Amino acid sequence: QSVLTQPPSASGTPGQRITISCSGSSSNIGSNSVYWYQQLPGTAPQLLIFRNSQRPSGVPDRFSGSKSGISASLAISGLRSEDEADYYCATWDDSLSGYVVFGGGTKLTVL
Amino acid sequence: QVQLQESGPGLVKPSQTLSLTCTVSGGSISSGSYSWTWIRQPAGKGLEWLGRIYTSGSANYNPSLNSRVAMSVDTSKNQFSLKLSSVTAADTAVYYCATSSVGSGYTWGQGTLVTVSS
Repeated sequence: QSVLTQPPSASGTPGQRITISCSGSSSNIGSNSVYWYQQLPGTAPQLLIFRNSQRPSGVPDRFSGSKSGISASLAISGLRSEDEADYYCATWDDSLSGYVVFGGGTKLTVL
Repeated sequence: QVQLQESGPGLVKPSQTLSLTCTVSGGSISSGSYSWTWIRQPAGKGLEWLGRIYTSGSANYNPSLNSRVAMSVDTSKNQFSLKLSSVTAADTAVYYCATSSVGSGYTWGQGTLVTVSS
């Protein structure tokens, strides 16, 4: 059971826009920045979005992030076959001594 | 651009201690306010943050593992390490080392598979 809740799967057709949600609480998303990671099959995760909505250099502007209250979202527009991957949200949780929490991951299928 | 490489035994017996090292290249482990982190992923499952350490020695660990995990930094070798004691089959996973500065998100190593089995 992950602290952050993501849908286990999502799908779309090429060119479509999809969103992946990430739900938390006041001790994590509600008070800290959200990060998104993309994990292509058989590889290590890579940073996709930092500080809720910022893209590292090299990440296409088809990827965007947003946060409102205790929820965050990742949007992918102009879906491409190479976007088929697992996507994880992450943030700091202020409870106990503080630690990083991840969502359970969303497997995106491009139909 | 900092690069990270995990190393250590790929097989550990139950009840023993898992020990992994992450070698940092392309930069000094002592430079800047970076945290040095371990994350693991069981096969077919999600990511679990194990903890982080700073070169000052200050560390934060996942509360679910707190009593079994320890991390250290060796600035002379540009390395940081993970020890996880009393392992069971549930600790079988790909272990990643990662680094980040404040607000920047993680840069990851390629990961190393550790299997707990007799």
